[in-house]
Amino acid sequence: ETGVTQTPRHLVMGMTNKKSLKCEQHLGHNAMYWYKQSAKKPLELMFVYNFKEQTENNSVPSRFSPECPNSSHLFLHLHTLQPEDSALYLCASSQELSTDTQYFGPGTRLTVL
Amino acid sequence: TQLLEQSPQFLSIQEGENLTVYCNSSSVFSSLQWYRQEPGEGPVLLVTVVTGGEVKKLKRLTFQFGDARKDSSLHITAAQPGDTGLYLCAGVRGTYKYIFGTGTRLKVLA
Repeated sequence: ETGVTQTPRHLVMGMTNKKSLKCEQHLGHNAMYWYKQSAKKPLELMFVYNFKEQTENNSVPSRFSPECPNSSHLFLHLHTLQPEDSALYLCASSQELSTDTQYFGPGTRLTVL
Repeated sequence: TQLLEQSPQFLSIQEGENLTVYCNSSSVFSSLQWYRQEPGEGPVLLVTVVTGGEVKKLKRLTFQFGDARKDSSLHITAAQPGDTGLYLCAGVRGTYKYIFGTGTRLKVLA
């Protein structure tokens, strides 16, 4: 596969569930990002990783827990979410942590019941 | 606080028509990007403009960065159904700080 892939593409979970979103990039990039895209709000940057190290946590609630085991993989662990967390979660990567072009994955559509 | 306002929010036009989408802010950005996002996909970068007053063309799409680097426009000539999608502008501050606009959802009818 090429580019940025995300799994699952769709996820429905209850408020007490624990689930994880996975992102994999096949581009050899060093920086990876999590974004949240809600229906009525602009795309919001959540977390940034550079060479596996977290460099940005944009005031995200602790019920979202990111993990970056290597430069190619990024996870977003979810627990005790709220219905307002329902959104499209997008992963992106770029060659360097700069204004390099970001390549986005197709997203995971999350619904919290 | 909305830092990047896009207008119009929704636009439905016939094939062959021209249109302009605006991206406005009170803040100055070091550069500005335009993306198109199709249903079920992530945003795809169309162009990056860096210099105030810069104009870039991508086939039937013309992008302009305002002189003061606070606003931008996207003009599409002779729109086609394949242009349908969500258009997003993103202002860049510092290194990786992308501030995304509110989006313009375009539908081009055949």
